[in-house]
Amino acid sequence: EVQLVESGGGLVQPGGSLRLSCAASGFTFSSYWMHWVRQAPGKGLVWVSRINSDGSITSYADSVKGRFTISRDIAKNTLYLQMNSLRAEDTAVYYCARDPYSSSCLGDWGQGTLVTVSS
Amino acid sequence: QSVLTQPPSASGTPGQRVTISCSGSSSNIGSNTVNWYQQFPGTAPKLLIYSNNQRPSGVPDRFSGSKSGTSASLAISGLQSEDEADYYCAAWDDSLNGYVFGTGTKVTVL
Repeated sequence: EVQLVESGGGLVQPGGSLRLSCAASGFTFSSYWMHWVRQAPGKGLVWVSRINSDGSITSYADSVKGRFTISRDIAKNTLYLQMNSLRAEDTAVYYCARDPYSSSCLGDWGQGTLVTVSS
Repeated sequence: QSVLTQPPSASGTPGQRVTISCSGSSSNIGSNTVNWYQQFPGTAPKLLIYSNNQRPSGVPDRFSGSKSGTSASLAISGLQSEDEADYYCAAWDDSLNGYVFGTGTKVTVL
């Protein structure tokens, strides 16, 4: 069974940093593209970033480009999202997701972790 | 901010057919496949339809998807009370080099 478990969320001040983790199990982690998606309270889904199977290709939404960095540790079966220069508008539940078909189709999702940016 | 447009709400009585539209452009729906997600309050989204019209294992066949040009639609036939949820379309956008979601549609079962 595919399992994705996010962690690392919490309260951070504007301008601060946070690193989210997504522990993967139940599948060959090194074979799949992975994504981060966020959802502000009461709002819709917004794609944040993606990374290919070996970590050599990454993409970001314009709203986070230059501030967020996606990475993966194949040995630890873990996906990361390093978030710097955080803003109030980054407040959201952050989900990691697996693309099972290498076609930007998010087939499996974690439960999400809440990031709150506030002073 | 969303580049894919959906109606904010849709509704029907049990057993009815409900259709949700998703309007995009040549850089997203016009040149890439469309996926649909279902989300219940307080829970993670779930993949409902992929590659325009394919259902993942376990998704009831009353859910169906289609695409034509720069638009797509999700149909729910034989609406049931447990279908009350938010629905999002999504597709890769070649111009933005990013994945874009629709604005979301809340389905209410009357």
